[in-house]
Amino acid sequence: GDSVTQMEGPVTLSEEAFLTINCTYTATGYPSLFWYVQYPGEGLQLLLKATKADDKGSNKGFEATYRKETTSFHLEKGSVQVSDSAVYFCALSERTGTASKLTFGTGTRLQVTL
Amino acid sequence: GAGVSQTPSNKVTEKGKYVELRCDPISGHTALYWYRQSLGQGPEFLIYFQGTGAADDSGLPNDRFFAVRPEGSVSTLKIQRTERGDSAVYLCASSFSDTPNTEAFFGQGTRLTVV
Repeated sequence: GDSVTQMEGPVTLSEEAFLTINCTYTATGYPSLFWYVQYPGEGLQLLLKATKADDKGSNKGFEATYRKETTSFHLEKGSVQVSDSAVYFCALSERTGTASKLTFGTGTRLQVTL
Repeated sequence: GAGVSQTPSNKVTEKGKYVELRCDPISGHTALYWYRQSLGQGPEFLIYFQGTGAADDSGLPNDRFFAVRPEGSVSTLKIQRTERGDSAVYLCASSFSDTPNTEAFFGQGTRLTVV
């Protein structure tokens, strides 16, 4: 079945550091790929998405490129801020039958310090 | 508000009791999903509704779990004879359609604790 593997956290960075959170996936077809973020005390929010190979999703300075050849969707940001501290989830969605449900990774907690 | 609303936000129940968790999706969203998130894990799919019907309930762990959406809007997740292993955050999400690249909007979840 479908699965998503992402790097374990927590990841602790100083403000303005470069961020990479690795994500790889296994899927039988051609999934859409997502990064969701969960800020403290809030619900899951879509951060960015990519729907086909070589697409780049971007939002709030974060980027991720859909790499079909390496089945990866790594999240990057050039300069993190304290306000980026949150839990980040990589996910895929592959239409199976009549449903289009999300399969999530286990999440990576990011802590950014001054 | 305009977001997905889940009630209650917290629920503590005794082992063996029955609980109902409610989800009020964004108005006009026909697709509704329930997920369960255990501590330190990502959300896991439970059930999906398209309109009033459960189109995919393959994620329900056993027959103690049941969900309804009688009028195609509000949904209720029902858990019978609760067990301590049912303790988790139950998340509801809704989307405008069920195509793979459509954004799903999540509620803040109901934290269920079975003691």
